[in-house]
Amino acid sequence: AQKITQTQPGMFVQEKEAVTLDCTYDTSDQSYGLFWYKQPSSGEMIFLIYQGSYDEQNATEGRYSLNFQKARKSANLVISASQLGDSAMYFCAAPLQGGSEKLVFGKGTKLTVNP
Amino acid sequence: GAVVSQHPSWVICKSGTSVKIECRSLDFQATTMFWYRQFPKQSLMLMATSNEGSKATYEQGVEKDKFLINHASLTLSTLTVTSAHPEDSSFYICSARDRGLTQYFGPGTRLLVL
Repeated sequence: AQKITQTQPGMFVQEKEAVTLDCTYDTSDQSYGLFWYKQPSSGEMIFLIYQGSYDEQNATEGRYSLNFQKARKSANLVISASQLGDSAMYFCAAPLQGGSEKLVFGKGTKLTVNP
Repeated sequence: GAVVSQHPSWVICKSGTSVKIECRSLDFQATTMFWYRQFPKQSLMLMATSNEGSKATYEQGVEKDKFLINHASLTLSTLTVTSAHPEDSSFYICSARDRGLTQYFGPGTRLLVL
């Protein structure tokens, strides 16, 4: 079964700088997907970006991009030009196992953007 | 697109009462909805998977008689916390899956049982 590891409990970044949030996974499946969600203090979970294991290019969505390294089983989220509103918890997630609807989440990383 | 609403956002109730939480997909049909629970400073814990027209599938350790789930239509799932006790106080959040793999989450419900 899938296991998601986020090793950074907290990260700090200066406004307008880029930051990388780490995520590694552990799966034996050949086909899988990886998700990143943002959870502000209000509690809602906001979908940010998705990477499929067979996607040839790293996913990008506005200021969010994924540094997907399949051989290393890592899918790090890169946020460029950080904004104060980016301060939140960030969760990496993936299906529990191949074809499963269920997602397993990492423990999350708390990002603080300093002015 | 892919908006999920959840109601109520906050509820405070007395011990022993039942609380119903609604989860709606507003602009898409969701054959599958999920209910999660989140404790402070922790990750999401899947409670159950809800499929329209069938019984919910509960995760190990989740009491199905305690947390009643009804998925009556392709856009509505409800979670009822029966005979709530203080230990049920938590943040409950639902998600709905569209035809793809992505789960879209509601804004969550904070439950406080006194």
